Amino acid sequence: AQTVTQSQPEMSVQEAETVTLSCTYDTSESDYYLFWYKQPPSRQMILVIRQEAYKQQNATENRFSVNFQKAAKSFSLKISDSQLGDAAMYFCAYRRNTGNQFYFGTGTSLTVIP
Amino acid sequence: SQTIHQWPATLVQPVGSPLSLECTVEGTSNPNLYWYRQAAGRGLQLLFYSVGIGQISSEVPQNLSASRPQDRQFILSSKKLLLSDSGFYLCAWSQGRNTEAFFGQGTRLTVV
Repeated sequence: AQTVTQSQPEMSVQEAETVTLSCTYDTSESDYYLFWYKQPPSRQMILVIRQEAYKQQNATENRFSVNFQKAAKSFSLKISDSQLGDAAMYFCAYRRNTGNQFYFGTGTSLTVIP
Repeated sequence: SQTIHQWPATLVQPVGSPLSLECTVEGTSNPNLYWYRQAAGRGLQLLFYSVGIGQISSEVPQNLSASRPQDRQFILSSKKLLLSDSGFYLCAWSQGRNTEAFFGQGTRLTVV
């Protein structure tokens, strides 16, 4: 099985500030997909952003952007202008292009301080 | 549009009792289907996935089994629950090989 590591169990950020969540993964594949999911207290998993490994350009979605370092197998999520509604568990996930399984990290619990 | 339904939302079962969790997807055909378990501090663990009717792949050997009797129906079962089966169970689907997974609302299972 693939390994996805999130080394920050908990993070906090002041409202309106920027925070970066870390994720590393282990794979021998060259073509794959990476995702960040958000799980608020309702526990509904929501896709935040996705990145295709063959794309060199980092994905962005409004206040959310990633720093994809393929050689280092690193995939961090940056949240700009943090809002109270961003408080949640964030999961990094991996899927190889030729497979069907999604593999998730252990998550980072983000607290937003007003 | 596609939707995924998972039920029940909450379940309390005694040790040794059977289990059946159901998940259905609407608005798509031949989806990939998944069962995950989420334990505190351990992220999402992939239990089973299916690429078609009757096709089940198990990621982790355990007390649980899965079945896909219809194209858009995925069932998670156990004949005898263990205390260690407690957790939050999530069903998900994806389409093809280049899309993300979409999740149901989850089932909180407590084995007592």
